[in-house]
Amino acid sequence: LAKTTQPISMDSYEGQEVNITCSHNNIATNDYITWYQQFPSQGPRFIIQGYKTKVTNEVASLFIPADRKSSTLSLPRVSLSDTAVYYCLVGLDMDSSYKLIFGSGTRLLVRP
Amino acid sequence: EAGVVQSPRYKIIEKKQPVAFWCNPISGHNTLYWYLQNLGQGPELLIRYENEEAVDDSQLPKDRFSAERLKGVDSTLKIQPAELGDSAVYLCASSFQQATEAFFGQGTRLTVV
Repeated sequence: LAKTTQPISMDSYEGQEVNITCSHNNIATNDYITWYQQFPSQGPRFIIQGYKTKVTNEVASLFIPADRKSSTLSLPRVSLSDTAVYYCLVGLDMDSSYKLIFGSGTRLLVRP
Repeated sequence: EAGVVQSPRYKIIEKKQPVAFWCNPISGHNTLYWYLQNLGQGPELLIRYENEEAVDDSQLPKDRFSAERLKGVDSTLKIQPAELGDSAVYLCASSFQQATEAFFGQGTRLTVV
């Protein structure tokens, strides 16, 4: 049973909107959903966090349906510098215990 | 303000040798995390501290890995003895509280030969 599921890769062009979805069926009841961005040879960097419905900040939006079993990171008008790997991070109820799990990551390539 | 500082950035050791990594979290952050990241994969939590207490070490291979966070500030992660499969990037992160934004260091890339 997959812990979390993200698309392995996505391609986009500058100026387009990109939506990346993460599935997390076993999300813990009271846990937040967090998304991170990672460039090569660097640690992950926080993008956005939410619990339910919609959250928006200056760089992204996060959409969470009522059942909270998935979440979608939306990047408006991407630029070349948004080429990176994007991870969802959630707390999951697994085997009667709580585990903090990163997704396997989505490699986004933004083309000119 | 300085971010999370890790050292060394790179370490190459022979198998069966010991190795230690050091992390200085952001001042005032109570929660500290150690993650392991293999190439092409997401980070995997090894241990989480709330102040001095290890509140989640369920994924730490305790036969060879150990960690400590003296005085609830700096932390060290040790591997003894190292195995070839331990080659990875070891990331440290800190946050004000668990479930709030975590800030990551640049990581230590370990190569075991």
